[in-house]
Amino acid sequence: QVTLKESGPVLVKPTETLTLTCTVSGFSLNNSRMGVSWIRQPPGKALEWLAHIFSTDEKSYSTSLKSRLTISKDTSKSQVVLTMTNMDPVDTATYYCARIVTNTIFGVIIIPYFDYWGQGTLVTVSS
Amino acid sequence: DIQMTQSPSSLSASVGDRVTITCRASQSISRYLNWYQQKPGKAPKLLIYAASNLQGGVPSRFSGSGSGTDFSLTISSLQPDDFATYYCQQSYTTWTFGQGTTVEIK
Repeated sequence: QVTLKESGPVLVKPTETLTLTCTVSGFSLNNSRMGVSWIRQPPGKALEWLAHIFSTDEKSYSTSLKSRLTISKDTSKSQVVLTMTNMDPVDTATYYCARIVTNTIFGVIIIPYFDYWGQGTLVTVSS
Repeated sequence: DIQMTQSPSSLSASVGDRVTITCRASQSISRYLNWYQQKPGKAPKLLIYAASNLQGGVPSRFSGSGSGTDFSLTISSLQPDDFATYYCQQSYTTWTFGQGTTVEIK
């Protein structure tokens, strides 16, 4: 059974650094076809992809937030960690982690998508 | 970054209606397009991957089509459980989501 669970502070102050942990079970972060992504959703707004990391340690970041984000993984602990610096009230959101799997179509194209999601954790930025 | 534009932003429909949501990419993304359903207070759920492939366990009334820049999600006969918000997402490069389409009860 695949599960992902986000953990971290519910309240951070402006300018502080947010550290979120995604603990996974039911699959290995070493699986070559898989990775983990972070996605957030401000209250009442759309989903926003933030970052991902694959088993190869390949990483990618949202262009608009790249300077503030760092993603890493600890395979032995089955955890993926996201840090976001210089938090602002506009960063108030539910933060989700999701498993990425890749599927090959037409024998050549490898499509990644999110097949399992955590329940999300609401982070409020306020002084 | 590739912009994903969904239309409409919201729609009202009745049970049994055929509903189509479109998603347009600002540049060609081949078939790197996925669809998710989200209900209030819940995490999104994968419906369709690679533009037209139905995720296991998803009812066959959901279907997806398209390639390049234009894509669509169709619900052939809307059911009470389908009232939700739907998002497209591209995984071609620097992944992005559409702004969402909310399907409401007429």
